[in-house]
Amino acid sequence: DEQLVESGGGLVQPDRSLKLACAASGFTFDDYAMHWVRQRPGRGLEWVSGISWDGGETGYADSVKGRFTISRDNAKTSLYLQMNSLSAEDMALYYCVKAGDRLLGDDPLHIWGQGTMVTVSS
Amino acid sequence: SYEVTQPLSVSVALGQTASISCGGDNIGTKNVHWYQQKPGQAPVLVIYGDTNRPSGIPERLSGSNSGNTAILTISRAQAGDEADYYCQVWVTSGGRVFGGGTKLTVL
Repeated sequence: DEQLVESGGGLVQPDRSLKLACAASGFTFDDYAMHWVRQRPGRGLEWVSGISWDGGETGYADSVKGRFTISRDNAKTSLYLQMNSLSAEDMALYYCVKAGDRLLGDDPLHIWGQGTMVTVSS
Repeated sequence: SYEVTQPLSVSVALGQTASISCGGDNIGTKNVHWYQQKPGQAPVLVIYGDTNRPSGIPERLSGSNSGNTAILTISRAQAGDEADYYCQVWVTSGGRVFGGGTKLTVL
């Protein structure tokens, strides 16, 4: 079975940094683009960032551009999200998501992890 | 930036048909994907490319897209269909955009 397991969430103070990780299994990781999608408590889904199969193309939501960096290690079948200058607006459940294609484009988000919670508070 | 609008809530009687709309400027020219999220669970893709169902999704769920509105239709609604439903499109300038989500209640 295809599986995505996120880790790295937790409590962090405002303006500090945190790095999320996602371990993938059950599929050929470097055949697919990957994404991070977040959900603030009681709110809807928000796309955060995406990365192509080889890391050559990345995209970010305006709300995180310049603060977050997505990366991947195909040898370790892992996806990462480095989050800097965190604020209360970033407090959310962060999902790791497998896309349907190698490149960033108009394909659906097929497989979702269970998410890792990021809490920003002093 | 491109905006996608969904009703906050939709109610349907058990066994009847529910329609959940997703509005956007010329959304009919875009591919619309739909996700179902039950309480405490991760979202699940239920419709992709306007009308296609992933394996394992019942035929009772169907999609359409034309003009400024995409629609997710749930026929013969069951209690297990109660969930939040999100539509999503891709915009070249801004990545992926989700609608605000619609809570489906089965009465």
